Amino acid sequence: GAGVSQSPRYKVAKRGQDVALRCDPISGHVSLFWYQQALGQGPEFLTYFQNEAQLDKSGLPSDRFFAERPEGSVSTLKIQRTQQEDSAVYLCASSFKDRGPTTEAFFGQGTRLTVV
Amino acid sequence: AQSVTQLDSHVSVSEGTPVLLRCNYSSSYSPSLFWYVQHPNKGLQLLLKYTSAATLVKGINGFEAEFKKSETSFHLTKPSAHMSDAAEYFCVVSDRGFGNEKLTFGTGTRLTIIP
Repeated sequence: GAGVSQSPRYKVAKRGQDVALRCDPISGHVSLFWYQQALGQGPEFLTYFQNEAQLDKSGLPSDRFFAERPEGSVSTLKIQRTQQEDSAVYLCASSFKDRGPTTEAFFGQGTRLTVV
Repeated sequence: AQSVTQLDSHVSVSEGTPVLLRCNYSSSYSPSLFWYVQHPNKGLQLLLKYTSAATLVKGINGFEAEFKKSETSFHLTKPSAHMSDAAEYFCVVSDRGFGNEKLTFGTGTRLTIIP
């Protein structure tokens, strides 16, 4: 596709429910990132993939959060037993990795998760 | 560790007047620095980036930023504000030197344009 695609755009979950958020990056982009943006805040790093390898998951807030990218393209962020504090916009970004300085990351429109 | 501080949470300027959004950074290595803009209900869009080439960087829509290592600053400017510039702006740093691709965002500056 032309850009990073995320689905669903909006998700309402009851507390304790599991959710899965999907990211379809730009074709050919090696790097994929997940960020969490709370209301009125800047995005915060969750995790980073290079192809199918998860190289950095230091930003995942708890073991309820899990991300995968099994074939090096589409990625899924799963949140188990959702809590109210998980309510946020979840952003996915992809970039073409090369040996130069950090390349531009292209962001999707995000999934707005509301836990009630 | 890398971080950015956006010195103003909210800036208001009149249409046609200059814009200045301030950003200071902290980085353990040669940083890459970016400004992203976020319009309501739209995705983050890259305005410009600094990656150790020219210290004055020109971006889209007439924006530019100057990297000043001595001041650890990367302020965003535009000579003449337009109504369409109203949005949230994020200063972003990346410590690519450690092979760390992740971006660290500031808390954002909301720019309001007064007609």
